[in-house]
Amino acid sequence: GENVEQHPSTLSVQEGDSAVIKCTYSDSASNYFPWYKQELGKRPQLIIDIRSNVGEKKDQRIAVTLNKTAKHFSLHITETQPEDSAVYFCAASKDYGGSQGNLIFGKGTKLSVKP
Amino acid sequence: DTGVSQNPRHKITKRGQNVTFRCDPISEHNRLYWYRQTLGQGPEFLTYFQNEAQLEKSRLLSDRFSAERPKGSFSTLEIQRTEQGDSAMYLCASSTGTLSGNTIYFGEGSWLTVV
Repeated sequence: GENVEQHPSTLSVQEGDSAVIKCTYSDSASNYFPWYKQELGKRPQLIIDIRSNVGEKKDQRIAVTLNKTAKHFSLHITETQPEDSAVYFCAASKDYGGSQGNLIFGKGTKLSVKP
Repeated sequence: DTGVSQNPRHKITKRGQNVTFRCDPISEHNRLYWYRQTLGQGPEFLTYFQNEAQLEKSRLLSDRFSAERPKGSFSTLEIQRTEQGDSAMYLCASSTGTLSGNTIYFGEGSWLTVV
């Protein structure tokens, strides 16, 4: 089955710096890669996702890149702010037609943005 | 609020007791998922429904766990003879499951503490 590895497990940056979180996946059939942000005690919230027919997607300060050949994808946050501090999870799934699409998650990265 | 709704939000129970959690998905979503999350870990897939049909169960879902979605709307997750290892947050999620995409939205979770 699918296995998702996420690095680093913790990341501390100064406000205004960029943060990069990387994930690798094992199942070459996976084609949907979302990123979730989870604050302490709260639900995981989707912040950006990418499907395997594109290599990069950007939404304001957040971008995701995908390298299908190497089976890895990354989250990039620019101009970090203290409110970006949270745990970020990457995930992968096979998402086509009638497939189940259940997500397999990485173990998470705790991002701390210092003012 | 038209998001995924879960209740109760918190449950403390004695070992050996049965507990039941309820999930109301986003109204137009026909897929419903249950995940379990322990501290410091990513959500782990338990099971999912397409309408009222339970289409996949993880091996994490022991025979003490049962999930139902009788009318294809709300779902219940029952844990019988609870054990301390069952202490976790139980997350429900839903999605449209359409060909155009399968973005999964999570509820706030139900925290279970088994004492």
